[in-house]
Amino acid sequence: EAQVTQNPRYLITVTGKKLTVTCSQNMNHEYMSWYRQDPGLGLRQIYYSMNVEVTDKGDVPEGYKVSRKEKRNFPLILESPSPNQTSLYFCASRPGWGTQETQYFGPGTRLLVL
Amino acid sequence: RKEVEQDPGPFNVPEGATVAFNCTYSNSASQSFFWYRQDCRKEPKLLMSVYSSGNEDGRFTAQLNRASQYISLLIRDSKLSDSATYLCAVNNAGNMLTFGGGTRLMVKP
Repeated sequence: EAQVTQNPRYLITVTGKKLTVTCSQNMNHEYMSWYRQDPGLGLRQIYYSMNVEVTDKGDVPEGYKVSRKEKRNFPLILESPSPNQTSLYFCASRPGWGTQETQYFGPGTRLLVL
Repeated sequence: RKEVEQDPGPFNVPEGATVAFNCTYSNSASQSFFWYRQDCRKEPKLLMSVYSSGNEDGRFTAQLNRASQYISLLIRDSKLSDSATYLCAVNNAGNMLTFGGGTRLMVKP
């Protein structure tokens, strides 16, 4: 089944404790991205990657890191999480980076930073 | 001004009603447009792409007005199962898909 998977789905952590949210897609998509969704602010892009070893900042990259060592995986790293990073996070992928490409989302990761 | 804006609603409509949402975008160079549906904090799922000539999929019709820089979604004969948040998304010449804040629809019996 074609899908985007994320782990963990739910995470409670404390300020400053490094964490990684994994994202994997099995559709051989070139383009992957991370969003966060907050009430009243909608979906905002954190980082995106157009291919292996190619990443770029989205609208809200501060406090986050990403890597794209393999085509299928695009982990999101919070080196020192803070309470303002409490949010619902979505990973997404699409076949290429052309403007007509359909984007597919993972199921989301709910993060609470205490 | 936000790049992509939607009325957050909620739109409360009875079953069988016709409801329309608009979404405005600020970048005149925007190239492609989409409507996504999101159920209660689940992942957004593509509902339909929006083409210049307008397009229809069953009870759903999407339109694009480039002159006024908005897209619309019309839902006819609303069902209870249509209750969700509808997100518009705009893809500019760059590589980012920008989303509106979403419009919440509640269809009541």
